[in-house]
Amino acid sequence: NAGVTQTPKFRILKIGQSMTLQCAQDMNHNYMYWYRQDPGMGLKLIYYSVGAGITDKGEVPNGYNVSRSTTEDFPLRLELAAPSQTSVYFCASKQGASSYEQYFGPGTRLTVT
Amino acid sequence: AQTVTQSQPEMSVQEAETVTLSCTYDTSESDYYLFWYKQPPSRQMILVIRQEAYKQQNATENRFSVNFQKAAKSFSLKISDSQLGDAAMYFCAYRSLGTGNQFYFGTGTSLTVIP
Repeated sequence: NAGVTQTPKFRILKIGQSMTLQCAQDMNHNYMYWYRQDPGMGLKLIYYSVGAGITDKGEVPNGYNVSRSTTEDFPLRLELAAPSQTSVYFCASKQGASSYEQYFGPGTRLTVT
Repeated sequence: AQTVTQSQPEMSVQEAETVTLSCTYDTSESDYYLFWYKQPPSRQMILVIRQEAYKQQNATENRFSVNFQKAAKSFSLKISDSQLGDAAMYFCAYRSLGTGNQFYFGTGTSLTVIP
């Protein structure tokens, strides 16, 4: 199993550009999450999904969109990138409501200039 | 929303000694989970230990143990016999049992292990 994979690892965007951060898991997990980690801070939840076709907002959803058309994939879309979106983005997944552990991807470092 | 507070931005410990990292949280829920995650320079998030709120017994995992005080909403991590490989950022996290099982993270404690 590859676990949770994220692409790209690094990206530099200009202000106003758009991009999609990819996240995939091969563990057949139902729950998936997107977090951002600003320098010196903890992780904050952007969006989450409890299954294909179901998504919901977390603490900091503004400026982002997600979709979940398959169990495996959970892409995060940034529209009109802003410097405030400079961060490290983590995707995570877990089996379901009764499972304890989240499995994290390696992260994507995004810089908006 | 739940909040998680880690009041120690940085801590240091001598190799082979014991160190305790503090965490407090605020919630109106009666049942939940608490976690400690380790994040080394590689950025990979690694689960260290978890605690179910309904359990009175403190969780232990080898050299790692917690002191869970539910009434005080306190969840500290004790690392015994500290090793150089323990050096990392440590995050305390709260997991709600509500829809989506949302996780809330503290701001982290940077642990340095001195040889």
